[in-house]
Amino acid sequence: QKEVEQDPGPLSVPEGAIVSLNCTYSNSAFQYFMWYRQYSRKGPELLMYTYSSGNKEDGRFTAQVDKSSKYISLFIRDSQPSDSATYLCAMGTGANSKLTFGKGITLSVRP
Amino acid sequence: EAGVVQSPRYKIIEKKQPVAFWCNPISGHNTLYWYLQNLGQGPELLIRYENEEAVDDSQLPKDRFSAERLKGVDSTLKIQPAELGDSAVYLCASSQQITGELFFGEGSRLTVL
Repeated sequence: QKEVEQDPGPLSVPEGAIVSLNCTYSNSAFQYFMWYRQYSRKGPELLMYTYSSGNKEDGRFTAQVDKSSKYISLFIRDSQPSDSATYLCAMGTGANSKLTFGKGITLSVRP
Repeated sequence: EAGVVQSPRYKIIEKKQPVAFWCNPISGHNTLYWYLQNLGQGPELLIRYENEEAVDDSQLPKDRFSAERLKGVDSTLKIQPAELGDSAVYLCASSQQITGELFFGEGSRLTVL
């Protein structure tokens, strides 16, 4: 079993839909949880950064962490074609530790 | 503020040739990372530097890969000799010690023929 598992894709939704992206993990030492967005032929771009459990909201994006279930989610409200990209979850045990990434899921938002 | 800068963006070489990638991190970021990203996969750590010191290089294939970070700023990752399986994107990232938020460069895409 991999340390971080991410829902397989690809995922295609109509514009305006609510998107839910999920990852599970097995290492209970993970304390830092991040979501990155990666456009084709670009580097990953940090979207959301969360420490420990709870929710964090930033505009149309909400990140949730449930450490008891070892489960994290990213919700995108009112999805736009510009949200079409690959989304990667990433986790670390310390503030500057190595990050373990999921495989990524490719999202396509249809106009 | 300038982001993480990497070069070259693209490199095509024949197997057994050497190749080098360069990275300039965000100013003030002490921690520098090199990640490898294969097609359809998430990035995997190759090496992490705190200033000049390599503090985690356990995933770096040391028989053919080497890295250095002189003066704790720029870094170079070298492969010699390259193999077909080294075709991938090599990503550099940097972070401040306090926050740990990683910022990535655009990557160097290597194709080994």
